[in-house]
Amino acid sequence: GEEVAQTPKHLVRGEGQKAKLYCAPIKGHSYVFWYQQVLKNEFKFLISFQNENVFDETGMPKERFSAKCLPNSPCSLEIQATKLEDSAVYFCASSPRPGVSYNEQFFGPGTRLTVL
Amino acid sequence: GESVGLHLPTLSVQEGDNSIINCAYSNSASDYFIWYKQESGKGPQFIIDIRSNMDKRQGQRVTVLLNKTVKHLSLQIAATQPGDSAVYFCAELGGSGNTGKLIFGQGTTLQVKP
Repeated sequence: GEEVAQTPKHLVRGEGQKAKLYCAPIKGHSYVFWYQQVLKNEFKFLISFQNENVFDETGMPKERFSAKCLPNSPCSLEIQATKLEDSAVYFCASSPRPGVSYNEQFFGPGTRLTVL
Repeated sequence: GESVGLHLPTLSVQEGDNSIINCAYSNSASDYFIWYKQESGKGPQFIIDIRSNMDKRQGQRVTVLLNKTVKHLSLQIAATQPGDSAVYFCAELGGSGNTGKLIFGQGTTLQVKP
């Protein structure tokens, strides 16, 4: 598609439950980025992919968070055993080739995760 | 470590006036900066970017100024309109190896009064 699609729009989980978020990048874009935004404040980079390969995972919490981008499937971000502090809006962005034409990182509308 | 920040959390301007939103960064090695606009319930939208070999760049109604000496950049919006009301973030391209990771500042809320 012509826009980054994220599902679901809202997700509510009880503490300790699993949460799974999905992202469909713009068709033809081979790079996918995940960011976490807490309380409408600054964004925290989590992880990026080049096609199905992890490109940069320096922001990814080592425990409980995992992500995948498999061929012919939406990318996913999964949080095992959610905690209250995981409540945030999770944004996905895609890019045809980051680091060269920098204005080509396009963001989706986000998934709002609320952990109760 | 790397950090990008903004001076003021909220800026209120009259419609038709010019707006100036400021951002300070700490990494003197940063070579690329972007301004994003985030409307309520939406993802960030690219506004304008600037490389460190420039000190000014202009777009449509927007200008970004970069002062490397004091590690400061600003976004100027001319003839501010109600549709400009949003949260504005500066961001820098961060991390080693040019992976495209963006490091965002904390955001300034721009309120345009009719």
